[in-house]
Formats: sequence, C-alpha cells, structure tokens
Amino acid sequence: EDKVVQSPLSLVVHEGDTVTLNCSYEVTNFRSLLWYKQEKKAPTFLFMLTSSGIEKKSGRLSSILDKKELSSILNITATQTGDSAIYLCASNSGGGADGLTFGKGTHLIIQP
Amino acid sequence: DTAVSQTPKYLVTQMGNDKSIKCEQNLGHDTMYWYKQDSKKFLKIMFSYNNKELIINETVPNRFSPKSPDKAHLNLHINSLELGDSAVYFCASSTRTGPLGEQFFGPGTRLTVL
Repeated sequence: EDKVVQSPLSLVVHEGDTVTLNCSYEVTNFRSLLWYKQEKKAPTFLFMLTSSGIEKKSGRLSSILDKKELSSILNITATQTGDSAIYLCASNSGGGADGLTFGKGTHLIIQP
Repeated sequence: DTAVSQTPKYLVTQMGNDKSIKCEQNLGHDTMYWYKQDSKKFLKIMFSYNNKELIINETVPNRFSPKSPDKAHLNLHINSLELGDSAVYFCASSTRTGPLGEQFFGPGTRLTVL
C-alpha cells in the first residue's frame, strides 16, 4: 500500500521566519509528487514534481524532489500570516486515472 | 466559471437516512474522484471514474456508490448513513493528457450524521 509521511505535523513560527516542510513517500510506480495548500476549504494546487533535483519555485514558495531519498521538501521564506494553512503532500503512482495518496499534512501557523 | 462544484456545501441528516452529494466539473477532464477528509484532516481516496468506468474502489463500505451520468458529473450516493460517515467529502477531477497527477478539487461537502 502506498504511503506518504509528512513532518512535522504542526509548526508554529513568527512572521518573517523561513520554514521547511518535509514529505517522504513509499509508492509503487511513482509518477509525481504534489504539494497542496488547504485553508478553510478545498486543497489548492501548489507544485507538482516529477524530476529529481529540479526546484520548482513560485514567489516565496519552492519545492524540490529527491528521488534517491524518496522525499521532498517545501520551503517558505519570509512567512506571512496568510501562509497559515495545512500543507498537504501527495503522491501519484499512476496516470491521471489513479487517486492521490495524501500525507496527514503539516499544520503551519504563522504568528504576527 | 467554477471549475469543480459540489452541492450541497453542508448536509446534516439522521442516522439511517440515504443521501446524495452532487459534483460537476467544467474543465473537460475525463477522470473524476471522491475523497473523504476525516476530523483529523486526513484526505483519503474513495473512488475514481474514468469514461464512466470505476477505476479505484478503496476499502469503502458498499453503502457508498458513485454514479456518473456523463463525463462532467460524478455523484456520490450514501445509504443507511452512520455516525462514522461524518466528514468532509471532496470531489476532484483531472485529465490523463494533462500534467501527471494534478487534480483540481471542489469546495467540499461537510456531512454531519446525527
């Protein structure tokens, strides 16, 4: 059974800090790893990673995949209170027809 | 212009009742999914449908049945509701020809069984 583990499960930091969220996976037929941000409603897509060592970046957020270590990290620099959310990591082990296997998420709280 | 929509947003019902949640996507995707998110915020796949065929059926009770009248819709029917069915249910969609694995989620339906 595919498995995705995230750490830490929760994290409280101050505005302006940099945070690193971790995700490790054990999946058969790995295709891609995805990061989502979930605030009050639906998860919203952040990044999809398929190639090892290539960083994806969007503003203050960046993510990288390490296929050798079966892991990924999500970095957020200069955090803001609006970054407070649950960050979900998910693996896709097939084509688009397969469901995603999610980790339990990291609950990130940014204090002013 | 909503990409993935679900109705209702909230559903409160008694144990033993039968209820349905509707999902529609206007993205032209060929695959749709249902996920359950429990009180601890853990998202788990329940079903996926591709071209009207069930692709995944995880260890979900057969009281739950997905029904897809066409590619743009995947409804979830739940019979004989139980307390443990209380959760947020998310619909999602994706395409095989698009980025591998990127799924778009609906706003969720919060089901409360009393």
